Amino acid sequence: DAGVIQSPRHEVTEMGQEVTLRCKPISGHDYLFWYRQTMMRGLELLIYFNNNVPIDDSGMPEDRFSAKMPNASFSTLKIQPSEPRDSAVYFCASSPGTGVFTDTQYFGPGTRLTVL
Amino acid sequence: AQKITQTQPGMFVQEKEAVTLDCTYDTSDQSYGLFWYKQPSSGEMIFLIYQGSYDEQNATEGRYSLNFQKARKSANLVISASQLGDSAMYFCAMREGRRNTDKLIFGTGTRLQVFP
Repeated sequence: DAGVIQSPRHEVTEMGQEVTLRCKPISGHDYLFWYRQTMMRGLELLIYFNNNVPIDDSGMPEDRFSAKMPNASFSTLKIQPSEPRDSAVYFCASSPGTGVFTDTQYFGPGTRLTVL
Repeated sequence: AQKITQTQPGMFVQEKEAVTLDCTYDTSDQSYGLFWYKQPSSGEMIFLIYQGSYDEQNATEGRYSLNFQKARKSANLVISASQLGDSAMYFCAMREGRRNTDKLIFGTGTRLQVFP
């Protein structure tokens, strides 16, 4: 089975530009998570979805960030306008939703974003 | 207070030796799950092993085992017969169950270096 798929793997953009990161979860998984990883702050949960519905977006840094999940097989994380401090690795993860605390999250390969 | 504490920023181990990576956690929930992930230099997050709070036996997955001491709130990862490919960052994570939260809380990680 294919794992979580993310695109692009690397993105370099200039400050002020719009950036869209894409994620395809594992088929059949009900939960999708977006994380950001930086040296300073480690792994941070930005937002997660259950059955395509956003459940908790309290980790989204500010209004410049938005995420959507139009269907069970696709999600996007958009940053508009981008800033240098958004430079990080962005991970998407999915989990089956089989239990409250037993669920295992499987991560995609990540998108390394550099904002100049 | 930190929910997940990994006190070892870095560890060294010789090939073929065993190594223990420490993780302590803090929760008032009775139901919770503990996870370990590996992040090699290539950047992806790889799920290694899971332990549930009600599991009476320590989890094992190949060369990985989890030394679960519930009273001490510790969930140390033991890697037996270390290999050069085990060199990576290792993250401990917890998912609490009481409030039906789906979030994973990550520690700051331990960088393991395996030398010949």
